[in-house]
Amino acid sequence: DAGVIQSPRHEVTEMGQEVTLRCKPISGHNSLFWYRQTMMRGLELLIYFNNNVPIDDSGMPEDRFSAKMPNASFSTLKIQPSEPRDSAVYFCASSLGAGGHNEQFFGPGTRLTVL
Amino acid sequence: RKEVEQDPGPFNVPEGATVAFNCTYSNSASQSFFWYRQDCRKEPKLLMSVYSSGNEDGRFTAQLNRASQYISLLIRDSKLSDSATYLCVIDTGRRALTFGSGTRLQVQP
Repeated sequence: DAGVIQSPRHEVTEMGQEVTLRCKPISGHNSLFWYRQTMMRGLELLIYFNNNVPIDDSGMPEDRFSAKMPNASFSTLKIQPSEPRDSAVYFCASSLGAGGHNEQFFGPGTRLTVL
Repeated sequence: RKEVEQDPGPFNVPEGATVAFNCTYSNSASQSFFWYRQDCRKEPKLLMSVYSSGNEDGRFTAQLNRASQYISLLIRDSKLSDSATYLCVIDTGRRALTFGSGTRLQVQP
């Protein structure tokens, strides 16, 4: 079975540009998580969906960030406009079950560089 | 106090050594505990869950101490391939799990 799929794997963009990150969770998983990882701040939860509904978006840093999950097999994280401080690795993860406390399976991440 | 706290390391140990990491947590009502492993420039992957009675998987032993609110990971007979960052992951009362910032282990020949 395929794991969590993320695209693109690498993205280099200029400040002010819109960035869209994509994620396909493991089939059958009904919870999806977006994380950001930097050396300084470690792994931070941005938003958590359950059954396509956002449950906790308290980690979304500001209005420039938005996330959608239009169906069970696809989610996007958008940054508009992007800033250099958004440079990080963005991970998507999925898990089985209604709660957010089950084992999470991570995708390979998108390495974002904003110049 | 941070919700989940780990010594960042690095822990530099020779091959064959035994090494242990602790992770403290602040929510006494936490119920779910995990250790994840993250290799350099890779995604985190589950290493093992941590059960109340303690559990072992080969060279790895995980323990939970509720009274002192910490979990531990013991690695026996360290291998070069054990070099990685070990993340403790705990439910802290939020709706999703909280990841620690990780402890880096470097096993040297």
